[in-house]
Amino acid sequence: QAVLTQPASVSGSPGQSITISCTGTSSDVGGYKYVSWYQQHPGKAPKLMIYEVNNRPSGVSNRFSGSKSGNTASLTISGLQAEDEADYYCSSYTSNSIYVFGTGTKVTVL
Amino acid sequence: EVQLVESGGGLVQPGGSLRLSCAASGFTFSGIWMKWVRQAPGKGLEWVANIKQDGSEEHYVDSVKGRFTISRDNAKNSLYLQMNSLRVEDTAVYYCATGRGTYWGQGTLVTVSS
Repeated sequence: QAVLTQPASVSGSPGQSITISCTGTSSDVGGYKYVSWYQQHPGKAPKLMIYEVNNRPSGVSNRFSGSKSGNTASLTISGLQAEDEADYYCSSYTSNSIYVFGTGTKVTVL
Repeated sequence: EVQLVESGGGLVQPGGSLRLSCAASGFTFSGIWMKWVRQAPGKGLEWVANIKQDGSEEHYVDSVKGRFTISRDNAKNSLYLQMNSLRVEDTAVYYCATGRGTYWGQGTLVTVSS
């Protein structure tokens, strides 16, 4: 099954905003509201940051927001902080009744 | 406190089998979908399989279909992954997680090598 396409890396200075894209097709991202975003620090388990396109789980900072337009979903981190430096993955439900992850994006705080 | 604790990983030869377990606590296990996700060393996340609350529905990524079986025992609050005909490319950390992905275990390493 095809994976979702993300930029390999995104960087920004503290306090800035960055956006990570996640491009799929009408059979996954474009067809369903079940798009999630995960943050993963080295050696740690993933952490859910956004679910169902734009919903934040309890305890996740409101600096993280999600959106979707057509076949592309996006994660925006505003007020970038050093602790945001991590790998980020999108995930989507698909027409095959399974889920796929994105290729992953390394966020660097300059 | 929600806890997911995986066990059963280890070193196995190609063609061999392993059974992973995931012990859940702190939430109503029988009320939600559960899933397995893996991550090969230095690579990205790969969704492996999920299972419905009552075990009546399962889904698998193509690369493991016919070789892996996901199951659950709601009486024991446990999730399982039976892995047969293991290949070198199955080497990864295997995580169990709740269906939405809100809670994850710490992962268990499976190494397939001769």
